[in-house]
Amino acid sequence: SYELTQPPSVSVSPGQTARITCSGDALPKQYAYWYQQKPGQAPVLVIYKDSERPSGIPERFSGSSSGTTVTLTISGVQAEDEADYYCQSADSSGTVFGGGTKLTVL
Amino acid sequence: EVQLVESGGGLVQPGGSLRLSCAASGFTFSSYWMHWVRQAPGKGLVWVSRINSDGSSTSYADSVKGRFTISRDNAKNTLYLQMNSLRAEDTAVYYCARNGQDGGLGYWGQGTLVTVSS
Repeated sequence: SYELTQPPSVSVSPGQTARITCSGDALPKQYAYWYQQKPGQAPVLVIYKDSERPSGIPERFSGSSSGTTVTLTISGVQAEDEADYYCQSADSSGTVFGGGTKLTVL
Repeated sequence: EVQLVESGGGLVQPGGSLRLSCAASGFTFSSYWMHWVRQAPGKGLVWVSRINSDGSSTSYADSVKGRFTISRDNAKNTLYLQMNSLRAEDTAVYYCARNGQDGGLGYWGQGTLVTVSS
């Protein structure tokens, strides 16, 4: 199975742009998905198929892909965006999550 | 409204067994692949297993292969995870999740806590 690598933490001030990266050798061939998880809650899908946003997810959340790296971008970060973020991908043998990134809103 | 409700967690001794259930409602259960994902206290999400819509194909993380078995009863709209030979490192909140048509895990249960300790 392959691995997905995320930075452990990212910090931004309110109103700024947060970028969280996820790297993996399989990403050029497989879609990536992003989840937000707040303390004590189940994860919520915020981006699917690299860059698509599910209904109900604010427009400030966007995703992009370039080679072996995918990026979750949160524009105009708000205090409520403070959470853990996980990337995920899958192939025929299974599914893998990145280690997670804690987003701190200063 | 889509609902996934896990049950069956609890305290079990090392080497013991436990069966988790996930009751699904609000959608056509038999049309969707389903997953189990776990999260140890203070740690990240870890994929455990998945099963296709009719139960004919399954996949497991290496860490649980040979010890855990995923299954489903489409007549009862229920997903299961049979966990045998449990170890301390299996201690975690276990979530069931629905695989959407878009490939993402769009719906999750609230999780059930499994604690493996003597």
